[in-house]
Amino acid sequence: NAGVTQTPKFRILKIGQSMTLQCTQDMNHNYMYWYRQDPGMGLKLIYYSVGAGITDKGEVPNGYNVSRSTTEDFPLRLELAAPSQTSVYFCASSPLPIRDSPLHFGNGTRLTVT
Amino acid sequence: RKEVEQDPGPFNVPEGATVAFNCTYSNSASQSFFWYRQDCRKEPKLLMSVYSSGNEDGRFTAQLNRASQYISLLIRDSKLSDSATYLCVVNGLGDSNYQLIWGAGTKLIIKP
Repeated sequence: NAGVTQTPKFRILKIGQSMTLQCTQDMNHNYMYWYRQDPGMGLKLIYYSVGAGITDKGEVPNGYNVSRSTTEDFPLRLELAAPSQTSVYFCASSPLPIRDSPLHFGNGTRLTVT
Repeated sequence: RKEVEQDPGPFNVPEGATVAFNCTYSNSASQSFFWYRQDCRKEPKLLMSVYSSGNEDGRFTAQLNRASQYISLLIRDSKLSDSATYLCVVNGLGDSNYQLIWGAGTKLIIKP
């Protein structure tokens, strides 16, 4: 059982480039989330989804987009990368709303924008 | 005041000792509380939920103090493998089904 799988593990982007961070889960969880973690800060929610076809903004959505065409996949798109987007990105899923159930995280993607 | 505040540490503790951390939260209406553990350069993993009456899981005990708005984590008989960053997590304001507020974490180093 793979759980939550994120790719790539590492990426260096130049300012203005775009990329998609991939996330897939095989636990049939309805709820999926994208977080970013900056040094010395708590995780911040970028976007979340409560099921296929439904997405919504979290605390820090600017500069990002998501889609949820299937239950399994929840890719995060960065358009026009900026140095402020240098961070570690975690995808997570849960079977219930996160107030009521633990989050299952992927291994993370370390992104540097220079 | 930060919504969720933790002492960043590091706490340097000898193996076998007992260590405790607190975490304060600002929203008195919060209902859900968690401790996650994060190893260096790894993803967070749930350590335990925190219930109103307090709860224990092996060497770990979590307590909630609603009056003073803090949660605590106690680790007894600490092991080298307990070295990690411990993240305090509280459900957020508004659409609280989907928003968790994460503390920046307390770093624990267990020394042999």
